[in-house]
Amino acid sequence: GAGVSQTPSNKVTEKGKYVELRCDPISGHTALYWYRQSLGQGPEFLIYFQGTGAADDSGLPNDRFFAVRPEGSVSTLKIQRTERGDSAVYLCASSLWGLATDTQYFGPGTRLTVL
Amino acid sequence: AQKVTQAQTEISVVEKEDVTLDCVYETRDTTYYLFWYKQPPSGELVFLIRRNSFDEQNEISGRYSWNFQKSTSSFNFTITASQVVDSAVYFCALSEGTGNQFYFGTGTSLTVIP
Repeated sequence: GAGVSQTPSNKVTEKGKYVELRCDPISGHTALYWYRQSLGQGPEFLIYFQGTGAADDSGLPNDRFFAVRPEGSVSTLKIQRTERGDSAVYLCASSLWGLATDTQYFGPGTRLTVL
Repeated sequence: AQKVTQAQTEISVVEKEDVTLDCVYETRDTTYYLFWYKQPPSGELVFLIRRNSFDEQNEISGRYSWNFQKSTSSFNFTITASQVVDSAVYFCALSEGTGNQFYFGTGTSLTVIP
């Protein structure tokens, strides 16, 4: 079956602009996660959705970052007033129930470059 | 404090050599789960294995094997008879029973030289 998909695969923007990154999880997966991966680092947790609600947003770095999942499927990560330090690969993952034991399946990522 | 430590940043081996990737974790939870993922140059994280804290049995899958030792808080990954296609960055991750997020190590970049 289809895996996690993310669009766009690459996004180049200018400092101060607003961007939206989209994630389409595996069908039937109730849990969705966003991570950020900087060069040479492992993914860092941003936010976790269980259904439509953000169950844990403790990883969001500041209030410029926001994510939604209005129908419990597709999610959008929104970044306002982008800064050069936001440049990274943004990874989305989904899991069946959102349990600690569940395997998270990752998408290919969106590479964001802020000039 | 880093919950998952992968001390080896880069490893190079010649094809057909065996290689072990180290992973040391830290948690206060008695229930936790450990994972290994492979990230090839294409960038997508590929799930390899999951172990829970109650099962210390080592596992073998083809050329891959995993050694889980609670006494040393380690979950090491060995590739036997390495191949060029094994070249990738490998990440170890921890999921705690009290949470949902994964804590990833910084990864080990493996290069297999033909």
